Amino acid sequence: EPEVTQTPSHQVTQMGQEVILRCVPISNHLYFYWYRQILGQKVEFLVSFYNNEISEKSEIFDDQFSVERPDGSNFTLKIRSTKLEDSAMYFCASSDEGFKGTEAFFGQGTRLTVV
Amino acid sequence: DAKTTQPNSMESNEEEPVHLPCNHSTISGTDYIHWYRQLPSQGPEYVIHGLTSNVNNRMASLAIAEDRKSSTLILHRATLRDAAVYYCILSRSWGNKLVFGAGTILRVKS
Repeated sequence: EPEVTQTPSHQVTQMGQEVILRCVPISNHLYFYWYRQILGQKVEFLVSFYNNEISEKSEIFDDQFSVERPDGSNFTLKIRSTKLEDSAMYFCASSDEGFKGTEAFFGQGTRLTVV
Repeated sequence: DAKTTQPNSMESNEEEPVHLPCNHSTISGTDYIHWYRQLPSQGPEYVIHGLTSNVNNRMASLAIAEDRKSSTLILHRATLRDAAVYYCILSRSWGNKLVFGAGTILRVKS
């Protein structure tokens, strides 16, 4: 079965440092997403990406965040200057038709701990 | 985004069917109904989706009310592995995101 792969599985970083979370979506998918889940809370939408540009983003996704598809296979989330409140599980997802009528595949997540 | 209402938690016995309800009274004609689940310490996992007609797949069945204001996810024989948080989510046909709510925590007893 195809799967979305995320690396690393756990990252610890100092407050104020930049961090890059990496994802390898399913190869023929066109839509890519980042979500996050703070411990014990809901899964929150961050951003969707299609055709090499952001198609939708939430209020959480401010100037500290950016996404990139640098080489046609990876999809990255960069947090420029991490804060303690950025500590969360970050999930990458991909789909072939957006969410309108098909399934999305989620990765196992990267646990980000900001100290 | 149109809202959904689900019970906070439900309990089931192993090997028995489970019916997970979802109300979405403000659904519009172009909204798809999606169900995802999240097992402990894992990412969300697709279960099933539909628009107007009932749907079946290898994991579950989705029964959609005729007026589409509610739906029910049916797990035909619950196993311990089905213990998870189940999310009922609406998405617009042109939409590009899923908004997760709190979902229903399903506990399965052996």
